Amino acid sequence: DAKTTQPPSMDCAEGRAANLPCNHSTISGNEYVYWYRQIHSQGPQYIIHGLKNNETNEMASLIITEDRKSSTLILPHATLRDTAVYYCIVRPYSGNTPLVFGKGTRLSVIA
Amino acid sequence: EPEVTQTPSHQVTQMGQEVILRCVPISNHLYFYWYRQILGQKVEFLVSFYNNEISEKSEIFDDQFSVERPDGSNFTLKIRSTKLEDSAMYFCASGRQPQHFGDGTRLSIL
Repeated sequence: DAKTTQPPSMDCAEGRAANLPCNHSTISGNEYVYWYRQIHSQGPQYIIHGLKNNETNEMASLIITEDRKSSTLILPHATLRDTAVYYCIVRPYSGNTPLVFGKGTRLSVIA
Repeated sequence: EPEVTQTPSHQVTQMGQEVILRCVPISNHLYFYWYRQILGQKVEFLVSFYNNEISEKSEIFDDQFSVERPDGSNFTLKIRSTKLEDSAMYFCASGRQPQHFGDGTRLSIL
């Protein structure tokens, strides 16, 4: 079972920041937080990952709380093409441990 | 940007027939995976593969399933005798940190 809890759905106005929360209160010290998204029935798309420091790339920012029990994915200027299901996954960094997907958050970006 | 490619995009097969799903992982990756997603359900792990052998497999990956890396570029999933419940999207992934996914093969069993 997934070790994360996410709201089932969220709406965001186009052009505004989308803030997607995730709880992972049982995260272990060697586990990273990964975010993926799935647009329609396409394959999951990697967005970003982090351990304890905040991370930013061209797609999004990841804010991890100091106790690492929760995190927030931020899409700074959401577009209609960001409408997707977003998955928060915790996983050890070493080895080739499989990803365990939960139900994710369905983000709807509204014009 | 390099990507994982899967063929065919849609496969229709009669129940009981064998089916082979094909994947070309990203060229310098060493770790490979298959996942599946039944319509409306979660993405589920099937199997991981490294150094020409299975690293880990789920309960779904029973004796009807097999994987192979027949040459330096392809990674295949074979289902020996398909059942109606094998109908799903099958995703190949490669890489370790992070894993990158292909766009999947929709398998429809009639």
